[in-house]
Amino acid sequence: SQELEQSPQSLIVQEGKNLTINCTSSKTLYGLYWYKQKYGEGLIFLMMLQKGGEEKSHEKITAKLDEKKQQSSLHITASQPSHAGIYLCGAPDQTGANNLFFGTGTRLTVIP
Amino acid sequence: NAGVMQNPRHLVRRRGQEARLRCSPMKGHSHVYWYRQLPEEGLKFMVYLQKENIIDESGMPKERFSAEFPKEGPSILRIQQVVRGDSAAYFCASSPERWGDYEQYFGPGTRLTVT
Repeated sequence: SQELEQSPQSLIVQEGKNLTINCTSSKTLYGLYWYKQKYGEGLIFLMMLQKGGEEKSHEKITAKLDEKKQQSSLHITASQPSHAGIYLCGAPDQTGANNLFFGTGTRLTVIP
Repeated sequence: NAGVMQNPRHLVRRRGQEARLRCSPMKGHSHVYWYRQLPEEGLKFMVYLQKENIIDESGMPKERFSAEFPKEGPSILRIQQVVRGDSAAYFCASSPERWGDYEQYFGPGTRLTVT
């Protein structure tokens, strides 16, 4: 089955700093989804990447999918306290699969 | 347009009781997915349903757990004779079409505590 490893597991940054979170797959990625979860709340959809080399941006968050490396990265520019939370990457086990596997998450703290 | 709704948000049950978790998908969505998040663990897929049909229940425990998505009304995840190990956050997600083609929207979750 699909296994997703996220690094780092936790991250503490000063407000205004840039940061990168990585998600590495044990198998070929057929798509990669990034979510953000506030502690004790549900998941907020951030971005979906489907093609190798694809890059998407929304506000100060950019995500890339590198199929060759079976890896995706999430980059936040000029971090703000509102970016704090747990970032989760998820991927289907195969093309068109119903089943999404998730990484264990990266806990981001932004110090004002 | 209301998002995915789950209720209750918090549920406390004693060992041996039944727990019923409800999920109302977004308007126009006919596909529902249930996930479980155990303490200090990642999200794990449980079951995928369309109206009146279970499509994939490969992540459901074999005993005590069941799910339904009737023609009318919300999807229900039912846990019979709960044990302490069932304590977790249960999330429901919905999509307009099959997962893999569309964004999947998650509800706020139901936090089940078994005492």
